[in-house]
Amino acid sequence: AQSVTQLGSHVSVSEGALVLLRCNYSSSVPPYLFWYVQYPNQGLQLLLKYTSAATLVKGINGFEAEFKKSETSFHLTKPSAHMSDAAEYFCAVTLNTGGFKTIFGAGTRLFVKA
Amino acid sequence: EAQVTQNPRYLITVTGKKLTVTCSQNMNHEYMSWYRQDPGLGLRQIYYSMNVEVTDKGDVPEGYKVSRKEKRNFPLILESPSPNQTSLYFCASRNRDRTEAFFGQGTRLTVV
Repeated sequence: AQSVTQLGSHVSVSEGALVLLRCNYSSSVPPYLFWYVQYPNQGLQLLLKYTSAATLVKGINGFEAEFKKSETSFHLTKPSAHMSDAAEYFCAVTLNTGGFKTIFGAGTRLFVKA
Repeated sequence: EAQVTQNPRYLITVTGKKLTVTCSQNMNHEYMSWYRQDPGLGLRQIYYSMNVEVTDKGDVPEGYKVSRKEKRNFPLILESPSPNQTSLYFCASRNRDRTEAFFGQGTRLTVV
């Protein structure tokens, strides 16, 4: 069965520090992978996506993620955290088959300390 | 402006009183979907639709109905709401090449 696991429901970093949010997936077919961000009282907004092109994907707001097939991982990073990055982040996988099946991780809430 | 619009944003209702949450998109997307978001569980798919008159169950369809009579609209219907349906609901749409989804602002439903 397909699944998405985000390690750590809460992550706290200091402003200016590296942000690393972990995501591992399982899929029997080549997946599309996404990171979404959710700010308070808002819907989800796409940060970046992997769709079988370059394995290192750059997104908005300085975030990037690397697809590692051997590790079935798609971790999200940002070199230097900003206060405005405080939000909840969701990793998601869409199966590269017919239909419209997207599976989301449980989410990681990022706290940024001044 | 390209968007997915949900109404209402907030709703408090009583057990058993039928309600409908509307969702409309202006991007001519074929695919639309409903999710519920609960703490620690992420987003779980309730129903999805691949086109007009084509709908299918997601992971948690019990207690919900949907319809897709027009391409732009995909309402979520709770015929007899129960307290365990208290949640944050999101509608999403995307085009058929299966790239990213566009989400509405969410509907926070409380059933008492």
